[in-house]
This record gives sequence, structure tokens and C-alpha cells, in this order.
Amino acid sequence: GQNIDQPTEMTATEGAIVQINCTYQTSGFNGLFWYQQHAGEAPTFLSYNVLDGLEEKGRFSSFLSRSKGYSYLLLKELQMKDSASYLCAVINNNDMRFGAGTRLTVKP
Amino acid sequence: ETGVTQTPRHLVMGMTNKKSLKCEQHLGHNAMYWYKQSAKKPLELMFVYNFKEQTENNSVPSRFSPECPNSSHLFLHLHTLQPEDSALYLCASSQDEPSAMTEQFFGPGTRLTVL
Repeated sequence: GQNIDQPTEMTATEGAIVQINCTYQTSGFNGLFWYQQHAGEAPTFLSYNVLDGLEEKGRFSSFLSRSKGYSYLLLKELQMKDSASYLCAVINNNDMRFGAGTRLTVKP
Repeated sequence: ETGVTQTPRHLVMGMTNKKSLKCEQHLGHNAMYWYKQSAKKPLELMFVYNFKEQTENNSVPSRFSPECPNSSHLFLHLHTLQPEDSALYLCASSQDEPSAMTEQFFGPGTRLTVL
């Protein structure tokens, strides 16, 4: 089977750092994407990982460990506009499987 | 604006109707996708097209019929749908197919309600 698991909801404070985890068990693996989706809007691309390690893009970083089937998205200096759902997605050849998403609420 | 447009934005149809969803991308991409997003469920990939050829069909019922006449346009023809097919249908495009790990750009979606 194919499983991609993320926490359902998280809450954090403006200016803080939050880590959103994603674990996966899939029959194959090419890479992993992170997308952001605000309520009522389409997903937008944040980051992707193919090899183990950390990829940094401004306030957002994503980490991958292929041996552990594990990734996380790190958001620094949180802003109110970061309140959204964060989706991880695993690529296996030309199939793309999404987790259910983590709804992040940023509070003042 | 992501460069991917979808029409209509909202659609209400009966179970015996036939309707079509349209997607157009202005990004010069080679791959296009249909996704289904239902409440409380993960985003589901339905179909993948690369250079107009279908490369992925994730066990989608035949009442959903995709059509890709060229690399810029993608249609989803709907026929004899069920109420559980009510969802947000998202179109996306990317420079190359998923295994190339190029980011996907999503359209705003069509909110479909089946009565």
C-alpha cells in the first residue's frame, strides 16, 4: 500500500518556528514536494527534495531522509499569512500521491 | 494568476447530464493534470498527460473522460456522475512529467456539485 502521513492540525505563534512532518511508505520514490494551500485557493509550490538533506528557500526549508521515509517542512519567522494547509506529495515514476495536508494556524 | 485557467469556476449538474470542464495553460508546459479535491480527503491525482499522451490513469471511473487535443488544453468530460463526485476539480501543468520533478502550477479549480 501507499501511505503518506502528516499531522492534521498545528498551531504556532507569529515570529516563531514550526516544523511540519511527513512520513511516507510508497512502492517507489523519485522525490517529494511541499505545497501550500490557502483556504479556497489552489495549491502553490514551496519546495522539493530528491536527495537526502536540507533544501533552503528563504523562510522555508525542507528536509528529506529517504532511508527513514521522512521529510519535514520548516517555516521560520512565522507570519499571519502563513496560516494555510501544507501538503506533502511523493512522486513515484509518474504517479503523485498527496498527504491529507496539515492545517497550520498562526496566532498573534 | 498562475498561467493556468479553468472554466467554469462553478458547475451544478444532475446525474443524467453531460458537461465538460476546460483547462488552458499559457506557460508552454508539456505536462497537464487533473486532480480531485474532496473535503477531508487528500488531493487525488486522476490523469496525467505528457505531450498530449495520457501517461497515468489512477483507476478513475469511466464516467470521467479526459481529452487533451494539444499541450495547452485539457478537458474533462463528465457523464452520469454520482453525488459523491461533488468536489473541487483542479487542473495543473508542469514543464515535464512528474518523474522529472518540475513544479506544478495549479488552476483555480472548478467547484462541481452533482445533484
